[in-house]
Amino acid sequence: LAKTTQPISMDSYEGQEVNITCSHNNIATNDYITWYQQFPSQGPRFIIQGYKTKVTNEVASLFIPADRKSSTLSLPRVSLSDTAVYYCLVGDPGGKIIFGKGTRLHILP
Amino acid sequence: DVKVTQSSRYLVKRTGEKVFLECVQDMDHENMFWYRQDPGLGLRLIYFSYDVKMKEKGDIPEGYSVSREKKERFSLILESASTNQTSMYLCASSQPVGVGGYTFGSGTRLTVV
Repeated sequence: LAKTTQPISMDSYEGQEVNITCSHNNIATNDYITWYQQFPSQGPRFIIQGYKTKVTNEVASLFIPADRKSSTLSLPRVSLSDTAVYYCLVGDPGGKIIFGKGTRLHILP
Repeated sequence: DVKVTQSSRYLVKRTGEKVFLECVQDMDHENMFWYRQDPGLGLRLIYFSYDVKMKEKGDIPEGYSVSREKKERFSLILESASTNQTSMYLCASSQPVGVGGYTFGSGTRLTVV
């Protein structure tokens, strides 16, 4: 299973765009990149998933360069309610995956 | 709204008791997982199952067992609860080719006294 590295914590302000980058140098050919969001005392929630290039949904965008050794989650115009822990995971998206420590995002007013 | 339901939100058990944590999903997912989450240690995989009556050990299976008699239900069993099993337990399910990733339950906060 590919190991991921992401910042331990980040601060931003309401209304800003937030980009969280994850590195995964040993990603395998069949691996997908999936991001989850977790609020305190809740289970993680799926945000977005991609294999290559760019993926966008109503919540976020995911940018994946051609070599797939990193990815960037982009949250447009964040609000206080986006304060959470964000996990980047790499692997078979439906199979066994290992969670890292995630990035603790703190949005300031 | 599709979901994963964990039977209890909070549970308090005594040391040595046999504890059952139940998880039910209504999405007809093949795969189901049990994690525990502890401060500073993140989410750790205990057991998972890719099919009925099938189970695989995760990273920390010691002291636990699982049962999957029906596709929609995956039970985690603490054979003899100990205080170091006090934790938040999270169940998840997914499709085999997991577009959409995991769907998690709300968690069971278990305290062993």
